[in-house]
Amino acid sequence: EAGVVQSPRYKIIEKKQPVAFWCNPISGHNTLYWYLQNLGQGPELLIRYENEEAVDDSQLPKDRFSAERLKGVDSTLKIQPAELGDSAVYLCASSYGGGPTYEQYFGPGTRLTVT
Amino acid sequence: GENVEQHPSTLSVQEGDSAVIKCTYSDSASNYFPWYKQELGKRPQLIIDIRSNVGEKKDQRIAVTLNKTAKHFSLHITETQPEDSAVYFCAASEANGNQFYFGTGTSLTVIP
Repeated sequence: EAGVVQSPRYKIIEKKQPVAFWCNPISGHNTLYWYLQNLGQGPELLIRYENEEAVDDSQLPKDRFSAERLKGVDSTLKIQPAELGDSAVYLCASSYGGGPTYEQYFGPGTRLTVT
Repeated sequence: GENVEQHPSTLSVQEGDSAVIKCTYSDSASNYFPWYKQELGKRPQLIIDIRSNVGEKKDQRIAVTLNKTAKHFSLHITETQPEDSAVYFCAASEANGNQFYFGTGTSLTVIP
């Protein structure tokens, strides 16, 4: 079984530039999460999708961040414009909500560096 | 919302010794508590979890204990090995199991 796929793995951009991250969850997983992980910290939820619906985006800085999950499968997270403080690892995770376990499966993450 | 605190932030043990990492949570409605291991530059991976209807769970050298009354749970690693060196995160989940709150992580170093 393929795991959660994310791309790109690394991205270096200058501040004020736009950037987008892509996530392909595990097949059949209806719940998708985007997390931000700063160095030495635990993952912090940005947005959670149930199928194509964003059910929790309270921590998403909506002035510069946006996300979508068309057709309830793949998802993209966008930052425009990027700021120096956005440098972090962006993790995508998926789970089969409502199943016998609640395990979240994480992708490898995208390490963003804003210069 | 839920608040999860994790201690210690760093832990060094000699190979073969035991390691204990502790977490507390604030929301009594939380009922699922996973532990993730994250090696340097890699994704977090679930190593063990426990639900609120169980007080202890063990899987080989790893065990987790839960005290619902005190709202704390702990990870125990026995006979530590160098490959156990990683950052460990605890998490607590709301009753519906879809919202996770992570601790700040414990960097474990096992000294050969």
